[in-house]
Amino acid sequence: EVKLVESGGGLVPPGGSLRLSCAASGFTFRSYWMSWVRQAPGKGPEWVASIKQDGNEKWYVDSVKGRFTISRDNAKNSLSLQMTSLTAEDTAMYFCARDPYPPPSFFDYGGQGTLVTVSS
Amino acid sequence: DIQLTQSPSFLSASVGDRVTITCRASQGISTYLVWYQQTPGKAPKVLIYGASTLQSGAPSRFSGSGSGTDFTLTINYLQPEDFATYYCQQVKNYPPTFGPGTKVDVK
Repeated sequence: EVKLVESGGGLVPPGGSLRLSCAASGFTFRSYWMSWVRQAPGKGPEWVASIKQDGNEKWYVDSVKGRFTISRDNAKNSLSLQMTSLTAEDTAMYFCARDPYPPPSFFDYGGQGTLVTVSS
Repeated sequence: DIQLTQSPSFLSASVGDRVTITCRASQGISTYLVWYQQTPGKAPKVLIYGASTLQSGAPSRFSGSGSGTDFTLTINYLQPEDFATYYCQQVKNYPPTFGPGTKVDVK
């Protein structure tokens, strides 16, 4: 069974930083592109970033370029998202997702999410 | 970026109904269109990809059609577990974008 479990969310002041993590199991993690998708309260999902199987290719939505960094550790079956210079617009549930294809792609599995709230 | 619109935004229906949701893209995307279902507190779950291909494990009462700019998701014989929010997503161009959603609730 594919399982994705996010952690690391919380309340952070504007301008602050946060690191999200995702523990993957039930599939060959190193064989898949992986992504982060977020969803602000009451809004539709928004793709945030994707990373290639070997970590050597990364894609970002324009609104987070230069502020967020996606990374992965295939030895630990884990995905991360380092977020800096956070603003209120980054407040959302963040989902870790598995992509069956290179970007742009849909995701075929997502985690339960971790909530990031940016507020003073 | 490619913009997606969905109609209706809200839909009230009863168990057993046939439900149709539409998604329109701001430019042609061939059949690079995906449909998701989301229930509260969970990640979206893919139902249809390639505009009309049923995802493994998705019930056969869900079907998709369309190409270019206009797409449709149809649910035949609506079941209690189908009351949810449905999103379309285009995967033709970077960045992949989602529609605003259609909430299907109980009439």
